[in-house]
Amino acid sequence: DAGITQSPRYKITETGRQVTLMCHQTWSHSYMFWYRQDLGHGLRLIYYSAAADITDKGEVPDGYVVSRSKTENFPLTLESATRSQTSVYFCASSPWGTGGATDTQYFGPGTRLTVL
Amino acid sequence: RKEVEQDPGPFNVPEGATVAFNCTYSNSASQSFFWYRQDCRKEPKLLMSVYSSGNEDGRFTAQLNRASQYISLLIRDSKLSDSATYLCVVNTYGQNFVFGPGTRLSVLP
Repeated sequence: DAGITQSPRYKITETGRQVTLMCHQTWSHSYMFWYRQDLGHGLRLIYYSAAADITDKGEVPDGYVVSRSKTENFPLTLESATRSQTSVYFCASSPWGTGGATDTQYFGPGTRLTVL
Repeated sequence: RKEVEQDPGPFNVPEGATVAFNCTYSNSASQSFFWYRQDCRKEPKLLMSVYSSGNEDGRFTAQLNRASQYISLLIRDSKLSDSATYLCVVNTYGQNFVFGPGTRLSVLP
């Protein structure tokens, strides 16, 4: 029962480099999400996807790119990393995403990204 | 005004105490409500959904007041293992889950 996994768990990179964070889920959930969590801001939605090949922006999408060619994978790319993108990144999945009372999100363990 | 606001905390309580957290949301069209728990440096995990009639799960009770746009979480007989950050989450159909900033709880021996 792998659930939802993220890789790498820790990443240090330099300003201007491209970085890709991977997210993989084994439940065939329709919805997948990327959040970043920073002190003082809580969890903020970067991008989400309702199904393969369907993605949409969240609250803080600038500087990030996503794709979803397969239901189970939802990679997040920082095209040119900046120091302000130093954060903890969480991927999540949800079976429906429509907001029903039983519609919950399941989170991966997170990726701690440091941009120097 | 933020879409979801919570008691700023932190709450420091002795073992066995009862503690209550409050959460308010601004979107009156919000439809579903949750409490998540997040341990230090870990991912958030669902604690419980919040139903209109209120619901209880062991020592945890959640209440929803739609008229006041207010959600609460009550923890009775606090355990050391309850120490964590509690996140209020609100969802509106056709939109996304919005997380509150969290309230940190420390249960002291």
